Amino acid sequence: KQEVTQIPAALSVPEGENLVLNCSFTDSAIYNLQWFRQDPGKGLTSLLLIQSSQREQTSGRLNASLDKSSGRSTLYIAASQPGDSATYLCAVRPSSGGYNKLIFGAGTRLAVHP
Amino acid sequence: EAGVAQSPRYKIIEKRQSVAFWCNPISGHATLYWYQQILGQGPKLLIQFQNNGVVDDSQLPKDRFSAERLKGVDSTLKIQPAKLEDSAVYLCASSPRRTSGRYDNEQFFGPGTRLTVL
Repeated sequence: KQEVTQIPAALSVPEGENLVLNCSFTDSAIYNLQWFRQDPGKGLTSLLLIQSSQREQTSGRLNASLDKSSGRSTLYIAASQPGDSATYLCAVRPSSGGYNKLIFGAGTRLAVHP
Repeated sequence: EAGVAQSPRYKIIEKRQSVAFWCNPISGHATLYWYQQILGQGPKLLIQFQNNGVVDDSQLPKDRFSAERLKGVDSTLKIQPAKLEDSAVYLCASSPRRTSGRYDNEQFFGPGTRLTVL
């Protein structure tokens, strides 16, 4: 059974710091991995999607890496800003067992203070 | 383009009462998902519809939860009777029609309904 774990559960940093959020999964048979952002009272917003054949994806100050064989992904946030405060969720799409199924981790709650 | 709409946004009920949530997906989206997100956990898929047929309901507690998607558009999720452990945010998502040869499709999420069972 696929399980997704995110570390740390919560993080509080001053503005300007570079951050690394970690995600691990138990079964390497995945189609892709996706990072989401969740703001209170709002739905999930997709940040980055990495296909199983890729090593990393970048969007602005965000960079996500994937090491499928070891079951790990990291989300790197450069020069953090207060507007980055949110919960960051990692999700994997298993390569079998159903179409377009997402299995989520519990998230990392990030607070960036001025 | 309008996003996924959900109502109500908040609901407080007593245990053993019934409750229903409504979701209106993005126009033209064939697939609709209901997720349950308990505080401090990630979303867990309850049920997935393709048009108006159920694709996956393996994690739906069928003794108390039911869902339908009439005419392949709007969907309702019902809990009857509610238990304390049903307190959670219920998220609805939708995705476009499946593209041949692909095994994924972007899911667009609504704002969720926060349910509190007292």
